[in-house]
Amino acid sequence: AQKVTQAQTEISVVEKEDVTLDCVYETRDTTYYLFWYKQPPSGELVFLIRRNSFDEQNEISGRYSWNFQKSTSSFNFTITASQVVDSAVYFCALSEAYSGGGADGLTFGKGTHLIIQP
Amino acid sequence: DVKVTQSSRYLVKRTGEKVFLECVQDMDHENMFWYRQDPGLGLRLIYFSYDVKMKEKGDIPEGYSVSREKKERFSLILESASTNQTSMYLCASSLAVVQFFGPGTRLTVL
Repeated sequence: AQKVTQAQTEISVVEKEDVTLDCVYETRDTTYYLFWYKQPPSGELVFLIRRNSFDEQNEISGRYSWNFQKSTSSFNFTITASQVVDSAVYFCALSEAYSGGGADGLTFGKGTHLIIQP
Repeated sequence: DVKVTQSSRYLVKRTGEKVFLECVQDMDHENMFWYRQDPGLGLRLIYFSYDVKMKEKGDIPEGYSVSREKKERFSLILESASTNQTSMYLCASSLAVVQFFGPGTRLTVL
């Protein structure tokens, strides 16, 4: 069975601080996908990034960066120079290998509520 | 642009009522999903479908059923609503791996 753990329930930082959201996953598959989604107060989940299990390269997109380490089964998300607009609930999720002709649901962590104070 | 719509943002129903939650996507995606989101529990998969008239149980299917008569539409049905089905319901669709979500329906069962 697969599992995603986001140990940080809530994080509060002051604007312009850097912040890292932790994600640890469990899966028996060798091929899988990891995701981060953002859920702002409006409620709609916004896709941020997908990473497949064969690609351990870190990724940077503007102020966002992701660190994928298979050795520790972690996929952490860092926001540099945080802004008030980054305030949201962030979810890490896992999908096992996409099986041809079928679909796989996502297994989500419980989310981290990030509060950026001005 | 990716578009997943859900029929209602807010819904209030009474215990025992039959409830339909509708989801429509305009991206010609094969796969569609229903999740519920509860505080402290994150999102949990109820049902999904990878083709018209096909359905698969997710992690928490009890008390729910689904219908997919057309590719673009995926309905979640609560046959006899109960108070423990009060929740936020999120629909998603995908062509391959990445799922795109609708705005959600907050259902309250009194």
